[in-house]
Amino acid sequence: GQQLNQSPQSMFIQEGEDVSMNCTSSSIFNTWLWYKQDPGEGPVLLIALYKAGELTSNGRLTAQFGITRKDSFLNISASIPSDVGIYFCAGHLQWETSGSRLTFGEGTQLTVNP
Amino acid sequence: KAGVTQTPRYLIKTRGQQVTLSCSPISGHRSVSWYQQTPGQGLQFLFEYFSETQRNKGNFPGRFSGRQFSNSRSEMNVSTLELGDSALYLCASSFFDSRQETQYFGPGTRLLVL
Repeated sequence: GQQLNQSPQSMFIQEGEDVSMNCTSSSIFNTWLWYKQDPGEGPVLLIALYKAGELTSNGRLTAQFGITRKDSFLNISASIPSDVGIYFCAGHLQWETSGSRLTFGEGTQLTVNP
Repeated sequence: KAGVTQTPRYLIKTRGQQVTLSCSPISGHRSVSWYQQTPGQGLQFLFEYFSETQRNKGNFPGRFSGRQFSNSRSEMNVSTLELGDSALYLCASSFFDSRQETQYFGPGTRLLVL
């Protein structure tokens, strides 16, 4: 089946540093999504990317949809302690009549030291 | 607008029992998807419902089933529970009106099978 390779698996950084994580796939996706998950909670949508090459920002977060439609990256600038959590990339496939599904990366565990 | 709600939040069952989980999507959303999250397998797609019809199904045994009601609320059922079914079960809803579909997750139901 399809798989997303997300890296790095974990990151330990100091408050104020910038963070970068990325996902690659062997398959093409219609949409790339980035989520953050806190312990015991569901994933919260951070950024959605709909077009190849698209670069989108949401506050201190910036993400890009790769030109080949097989990869995406997420950058977090000037990290703060509340950025701690697990970040997931997800590729979205959608068909007109047969529905849609998300395929998730393995997640990046981010730790921010004050 | 209220987010995706899931009930119950926590559940303990024993092997061989069955369980039913409930999901209420965001108002106006017609597509509901279910995912299983475990430490070993990550986030895995179970199935997707749209207008009371299952449109898409992941690679899970027939013990996992679901349905969607006319008000878009959805339930999933797991019969003959196994220890390996212990997981966080997540529901996500989307509007599905164009290729720019985005899925929003509920807080999940934590199932423990003893």
